[in-house]
Amino acid sequence: DGGITQSPKYLFRKEGQNVTLSCEQNLNHDAMYWYRQDPGQGLRLIYYSQIVNDFQKGDIAEGYSVSREKKESFPLTVTSAQKNPTAFYLCASSIGGGMNTEAFFGQGTRLTVV
Amino acid sequence: SQELEQSPQSLIVQEGKNLTINCTSSKTLYGLYWYKQKYGEGLIFLMMLQKGGEEKSHEKITAKLDEKKQQSSLHITASQPSHAGIYLCGADEYSGGGADGLTFGKGTHLIIQP
Repeated sequence: DGGITQSPKYLFRKEGQNVTLSCEQNLNHDAMYWYRQDPGQGLRLIYYSQIVNDFQKGDIAEGYSVSREKKESFPLTVTSAQKNPTAFYLCASSIGGGMNTEAFFGQGTRLTVV
Repeated sequence: SQELEQSPQSLIVQEGKNLTINCTSSKTLYGLYWYKQKYGEGLIFLMMLQKGGEEKSHEKITAKLDEKKQQSSLHITASQPSHAGIYLCGADEYSGGGADGLTFGKGTHLIIQP
């Protein structure tokens, strides 16, 4: 079955450590996105990629990095520079290509700094 | 970027009753998406609206986009416990499509009381 998979579901990080969240899709979608969700703030865009080997900063990119070496994969690294990394992270993908299309979401990763 | 205002922030409804959630933008909505999220999980796509005056229904959920394309409403008829969750509206900022990510409202928490 086609879909988008995030792993792990729960992640704990010590302060000062970098962690990488995985996002894989087998939908053959060109565009992929990372959102962060905080209570009372809704979803905010961190980074997005419209094509392999290219990505753009979203609204809250500081303290995060991404790569898009393969069409299927869009990992997000939360660096030690991110001051408040504890949040729920959602990855999404869409066909892209300039159309108003549905975005498919993963099940999310809950990151907690301990 | 545009802002999306959702109202109400939270809603407690007795099972069997009807309810409406609103999503309002300060700018024209080129694509309006409704998603549902169960707590701590990914988003489930409900409906997408593009044209002014458009209305779509799926089972007991109806979404409308006003003629000016600045306000959308989500109406649930005869609510059931399965309708409980967080409802999010998302929008494309540009007419060219959503490949650069969506802007989301803060969500409406819906609780269904038996």
